Amino acid sequence: TQLLEQSPQFLSIQEGENLTVYCNSSSVFSSLQWYRQEPGEGPVLLVTVVTGGEVKKLKRLTFQFGDARKDSSLHITAAQPGDTGLYLCAGATGYSTLTFGKGTMLLVSP
Amino acid sequence: DTAVSQTPKYLVTQMGNDKSIKCEQNLGHDTMYWYKQDSKKFLKIMFSYNNKELIINETVPNRFSPKSPDKAHLNLHINSLELGDSAVYFCASSLFRTGTLGQFFGPGTRLTVL
Repeated sequence: TQLLEQSPQFLSIQEGENLTVYCNSSSVFSSLQWYRQEPGEGPVLLVTVVTGGEVKKLKRLTFQFGDARKDSSLHITAAQPGDTGLYLCAGATGYSTLTFGKGTMLLVSP
Repeated sequence: DTAVSQTPKYLVTQMGNDKSIKCEQNLGHDTMYWYKQDSKKFLKIMFSYNNKELIINETVPNRFSPKSPDKAHLNLHINSLELGDSAVYFCASSLFRTGTLGQFFGPGTRLTVL
């Protein structure tokens, strides 16, 4: 069974601060995805990373896939209240469906 | 246009009742899923269908029965509802059967069993 551990579980910060969320596993994934879920809505795909060491940027969000394709990080620069939500990482292998982490709840206060 | 839609958004019912949740996607994807999200926000796969064929059936009570009349629709019927079935149920779809390049989720159905 593949497990994805996310840390921290909960993060409360002030607007303008930087933060990093981690997603770790002992398993190798063919791709890793990050989703954001807002209250009362479904998860929305932010990014997919597929190559070890890959870095992708989405405005103030930077995603990195570990060299060994077992872990990933999400860094947010100058967080804004609109970044508030549940951040989920999910790993894919070749023959099974996605394995989701338990999520990081981010609260950004004005 | 809504990519993945679910109905109803909220469902409140008594223990022992039977209920259904419907899902439709207009993305042209071949694969659709049902997930259950518990009170701790953990998202757990229940079923996966690829082009109307069941390909993943996790350890789910047989009171839950999915049906896919065509590849754009995946419905979930639940018999003899129990208190523990209370959760948010999400439908999702993906281009590839493993969801390797990402899944698109519906808005969820909040089921409350009294």
